[in-house]
Amino acid sequence: DTEVTQTPKHLVMGMTNKKSLKCEQHMGHRAMYWYKQKAKKPPELMFVYSYEKLSINESVPSRFSPECPNSSLLNLHLHALQPEDSALYLCASSQDQGLAGDNEQFFGPGTRLTVL
Amino acid sequence: GEDVEQSLFLSVREGDSSVINCTYTDSSSTYLYWYKQEPGAGLQLLTYIFSNMDMKQDQRLTVLLNKKDKHLSLRIADTQTGDSAIYFCAEMYSSASKIIFGSGTRLSIRP
Repeated sequence: DTEVTQTPKHLVMGMTNKKSLKCEQHMGHRAMYWYKQKAKKPPELMFVYSYEKLSINESVPSRFSPECPNSSLLNLHLHALQPEDSALYLCASSQDQGLAGDNEQFFGPGTRLTVL
Repeated sequence: GEDVEQSLFLSVREGDSSVINCTYTDSSSTYLYWYKQEPGAGLQLLTYIFSNMDMKQDQRLTVLLNKKDKHLSLRIADTQTGDSAIYFCAEMYSSASKIIFGSGTRLSIRP
């Protein structure tokens, strides 16, 4: 199983809502990532978890709150988002956090988020 | 600073070769990558090259690296309609332990 799954596929939320994005992998990977991708732009790293601990936070606003309940799951809790937060949110995982060429990051299909 | 640049569009005829170019800034990058993103999908790693290599070939894909000019290219031989996608060049930004993506090149195939 070389798949990273993400739910939901699409999400529309208001600025006062609280929602969560979920990501799951069963490859035994110990590093998991959240990226944000705006239309016609490259993915931008948000968070990295390594061995279930937050390793990198790219100065992301606190209205985005990541959580890693176990080694297979990664959540992104959303609260009080702004319309400019509308984007494709991609999850990825890799064997570990090392950036060797063969430590491939496997990406999920993403959750397309629209904030009204 | 962190910067990876690519041209935004490339159109080629089916069966021809496609060459996608990229320039990067971090001279200490150890690995450089090419990712493919099809519509509505996540990113798929196509290939990578270690910085001490000049060339890497993998079936229809050839990666050329000019470390002096910080220039990377991806050549796709015998381009097919299934190759239509956005191709992202990426470098390992070693001082921050993260991957920096270029803006992506949208490859379209003409019949």
